[in-house]
This record gives sequence, structure tokens and C-alpha cells, in this order.
Amino acid sequence: NAGVMQNPRHLVRRRGQEARLRCSPMKGHSHVYWYRQLPEEGLKFMVYLQKENIIDESGMPKERFSAEFPKEGPSILRIQQVVRGDSAAYFCASSPWTSGGLNNEQFFGPGTRLTVL
Amino acid sequence: DQQVKQNSPSLSVQEGRISILNCDYTNSMFDYFLWYKKYPAEGPTFLISISSIKDKNEDGRFTVFLNKSAKHLSLHIVPSQPGDSAVYFCAGTKGTSGSRLTFGEGTQLTVNP
Repeated sequence: NAGVMQNPRHLVRRRGQEARLRCSPMKGHSHVYWYRQLPEEGLKFMVYLQKENIIDESGMPKERFSAEFPKEGPSILRIQQVVRGDSAAYFCASSPWTSGGLNNEQFFGPGTRLTVL
Repeated sequence: DQQVKQNSPSLSVQEGRISILNCDYTNSMFDYFLWYKKYPAEGPTFLISISSIKDKNEDGRFTVFLNKSAKHLSLHIVPSQPGDSAVYFCAGTKGTSGSRLTFGEGTQLTVNP
């Protein structure tokens, strides 16, 4: 019963390159969330996706960042033309679909640490 | 706009004593709160949660208290153990499926043997 998987765990890019971060949710989970943690800060919401749909991207920068969760395969967070300020830990979380009820527990992956040189 | 705030960046307690971590929120739309624990270089691990219809939830050594009128919640760990040393994050959310979590800045708990 694998948890949320993310790869790579560490990613080094030079300024201007592209970064691709992958996330496989827990089995049976249909909701995927991406969060970013800058040094010395808490986690900040970026985007929420379901299969083939972006539901809420209000936390994601308007430029250079995009996310997808295709019908088959992992969710991808893509950062184009990276800059030093993109250096952070990027966490993916997943949750099951629940019909009503007060429960929004999200399960987190180990994160991808992006370093931009 | 910091909707969830953890005012203590760090807390140090002796093994066996009680640890109390505090959290304040401003968003009245939050009706579900969660505590996560995080070790270095790992993802946050869910610890305990509470719905706004309750004022207390207990799970083993961990108890979360919610004071809605004060928009304040706290996590009690008793007795504290050295393995509890980690960063603890408080998060608020609307309690419906698919809602984002809004995190505080975290509190580094150190439990001394």
C-alpha cells in the first residue's frame, strides 16, 4: 500500500532551464494538490487537480508554472525558465473523493527539493 | 494575509512533560483543522484533526483543543518523547472534499532527554 510518491527527490537546474516534478497519488485517491515550501516558511498551496482537470490554480504563479494530471500517469508540475527564487521544496498531496462530510485529510509525499543555480 | 499563524517558532520541553503548541486563525470559513508533523527532508505526516463542531479531539498522547470564539487551537502532547522532536504545522480548511489546506509557519519542537 504505497503512499504518495514523488520524483525526483532532488533536482538541480541552471537558470533558464525547465524543471519537471512528478507525483503519483496514493492508490484510490483522485485529488492531487501541489504545495511549495520556501526556506524558513510554511507550505503554500499552489494548485488542486483531479484527473484531466485543473480545479483550483489560484495559488500558482501566472507565468512559467503549469500543472497537469492526465488520465494515465502521474501528475506533473512544470516550471519553465527557472529562476533562483524557484528554489524550494515542492510537495504533492493526495486525498480520496468523499461525498460530503467534514473530512479533508491530505497525505503528503516526501517532496522534491529544487535547487536553481 | 496570514490566515493561520503559529506565533512560536520554537519550543523546548523535557522528556515526560507536556508540550503545548498553539495556533491562531483569522478565516471564519475554516471548519476543519489539522496538525501535521514534519521531519527534515521528509513530507508532512498527518497527526490529528478536529472539526469545528467539536472542541476537543484525543488520540493517544495527542489532544487538539479548539476555541472557536477565540479562533484558537492548540495541540497537547503528553508525555513528550524525544522522537516527537520535529516541526509541527497547523492547517485550516473548509471541511469539504477538495479544499486546500492553509498552513501556519510551523513550530520546531525539541524534546530533551
